[in-house]
Amino acid sequence: DGGITQSPKYLFRKEGQNVTLSCEQNLNHDAMYWYRQDPGQGLRLIYYSQIVNDFQKGDIAEGYSVSREKKESFPLTVTSAQKNPTAFYLCASTTRSNRKLNEQFFGPGTRLTVL
Amino acid sequence: GQQVMQIPQYQHVQEGEDFTTYCNSSTTLSNIQWYKQRPGGHPVFLIQLVKSGEVKKQKRLTFQFGEAKKNSSLHITATQTTDVGTYFCAGHRTLDSNYQLIWGAGTKLIIKP
Repeated sequence: DGGITQSPKYLFRKEGQNVTLSCEQNLNHDAMYWYRQDPGQGLRLIYYSQIVNDFQKGDIAEGYSVSREKKESFPLTVTSAQKNPTAFYLCASTTRSNRKLNEQFFGPGTRLTVL
Repeated sequence: GQQVMQIPQYQHVQEGEDFTTYCNSSTTLSNIQWYKQRPGGHPVFLIQLVKSGEVKKQKRLTFQFGEAKKNSSLHITATQTTDVGTYFCAGHRTLDSNYQLIWGAGTKLIIKP
């Protein structure tokens, strides 16, 4: 089955610690995204990557970092500089064929709680 | 900056009543997509509209894209408990917009007990 996996599902972190969230896709998609969702809120874009070894900041990149060394992997690091990191983190991917903008496929998400 | 406003934030309905959510963009969109997020889950793609004035139906769900490609709506007829969740609209500014979607804040559909 093709899809997007995120791990872990729940993550607890002490203040001042960096933590890395995993995102892997086997859909052969070019573009990958990280979103943050707070309770009762919409999706806010943290970082996105259109191609391997390239990524761009989204609307709320401060306190986060990413890498895209492989097409199928786009890990997100939440650093200690992120002031309020407790949230639901969603990874997504998409591809574009024949200039048609296709839908984004989402992973199951990681719920990060800072203690 | 580019925004997509979505209203209402919440809608409480009795089972069997209709539900509608509206999205409005400050600028023209190349397309509009709709997603559903069940409680505790992740967004799942429902449909994409591309043409001006386009209307698409999926069983009890009707999706519209405005003539100016700045607004869209989702209407659910005779809601059921399986419809519970948050519905998001999202659009691309142009076909060459770096794959980035502009998201609405979502409308949460709540079925009254």
